[in-house]
Amino acid sequence: GAGVSQSPSNKVTEKGKDVELRCDPISGHTALYWYRQSLGQGLEFLIYFQGNSAPDKSGLPSDRFSAERTGGSVSTLTIQRTQQEDSAVYLCASSLDTRGSYTFGSGTRLTVV
Amino acid sequence: GQQVMQIPQYQHVQEGEDFTTYCNSSTTLSNIQWYKQRPGGHPVFLIQLVKSGEVKKQKRLTFQFGEAKKNSSLHITATQTTDVGTYFCAGLKSQGAQKLVFGQGTRLTINP
Repeated sequence: GAGVSQSPSNKVTEKGKDVELRCDPISGHTALYWYRQSLGQGLEFLIYFQGNSAPDKSGLPSDRFSAERTGGSVSTLTIQRTQQEDSAVYLCASSLDTRGSYTFGSGTRLTVV
Repeated sequence: GQQVMQIPQYQHVQEGEDFTTYCNSSTTLSNIQWYKQRPGGHPVFLIQLVKSGEVKKQKRLTFQFGEAKKNSSLHITATQTTDVGTYFCAGLKSQGAQKLVFGQGTRLTINP
């Protein structure tokens, strides 16, 4: 597609429920990244995928967080047993390769109530 | 691990005044990138600097990459209300893990 697409744009969930956030990167981009941004804060790195290499999961805050990238394209970030502190905007980005610029999606605003 | 420090965290100026944000890395970078995030929006790529001492201009914006490739700056001349937003620098290490490390950002607000 022309840009990075994320869905849903907004998600309200009850504490303890699982959520899945989707990212559809730019076609042909080999690298895909997930970030989290709390209100008024910076970008917190979560995980990145590069081609067929093992993902860099070093930023995942707990084992409740996981992500996969199927077929080198679409990625899903899953948060299990959501907590209120998980409330944030989750941003996905892709790049042609790991040295290039990132194109960000519009994000998913997650609210845990 | 690698850190990218960005200052100031906040800057409020009168419209027409200049603005500068600074970025420093603990390690040598292969490139540095700058992004702008408008309020309520997502980060948008502005520019990439690769060479030691490089200076690039985009209209009223001037970007510099230090000689040691560890620091960078973004200077805006004569700010306009459209410049409001948060500016992030992001550095790519010369060796090792290939992902950008983002600074904490500088939030610019402007009094018209």
